[in-house]
Amino acid sequence: KQEVTQIPAALSVPEGENLVLNCSFTDSAIYNLQWFRQDPGKGLTSLLLIQSSQREQTSGRLNASLDKSSGRSTLYIAASQPGDSATYLCALRDNYGQNFVFGPGTRLSVLP
Amino acid sequence: EAGVAQSPRYKIIEKRQSVAFWCNPISGHATLYWYQQILGQGPKLLIQFQNNGVVDDSQLPKDRFSAERLKGVDSTLKIQPAKLEDSAVYLCASSRDRGRAVNTEAFFGQGTRLTVV
Repeated sequence: KQEVTQIPAALSVPEGENLVLNCSFTDSAIYNLQWFRQDPGKGLTSLLLIQSSQREQTSGRLNASLDKSSGRSTLYIAASQPGDSATYLCALRDNYGQNFVFGPGTRLSVLP
Repeated sequence: EAGVAQSPRYKIIEKRQSVAFWCNPISGHATLYWYQQILGQGPKLLIQFQNNGVVDDSQLPKDRFSAERLKGVDSTLKIQPAKLEDSAVYLCASSRDRGRAVNTEAFFGQGTRLTVV
């Protein structure tokens, strides 16, 4: 059974810092991995989708990488802003099912 | 393009009552998901449809939860009777996936926050 973990559970950084969020999974047989952002009381907003054949994806200040062999993905946020404060979730679609398996999320606070 | 629409946004009910949630996916998206998100946790799949057929309902508590997707578009999720532990956010998502092509992006609605008292 696929298990997804995210470390740290919570992170607080001053504005302007670059930061890395981690996502680990136990089974490397995946179709793709998607990073989401969730604001309090809101739904999930898709940030980046990485296919199993890709190593990274970039969108603006965000860069996501995927290393299937080690069972890891990272989300890099450059020059963090208070507006980046939210919970960040990774989810992957594995080869055994067609649905997404989510990690528990990392709650990010960017302090002005 | 319009996003995934869900209603209501909030619902408070007493235990043992029934409740229904509605979802309208993005136009043209064949696959629809219902997820349950308990506070502080990641979403957990309840049921997945492709068109109007069920792909996966292995984690749906079928003694109290039911879902349907008539005509392969809108979907409703029902809980009857509700328990205190059903308090959560219920998220609907959709994607273009068809058949074994499962590499497309998923889009989520705003969710329905259910409180059972």
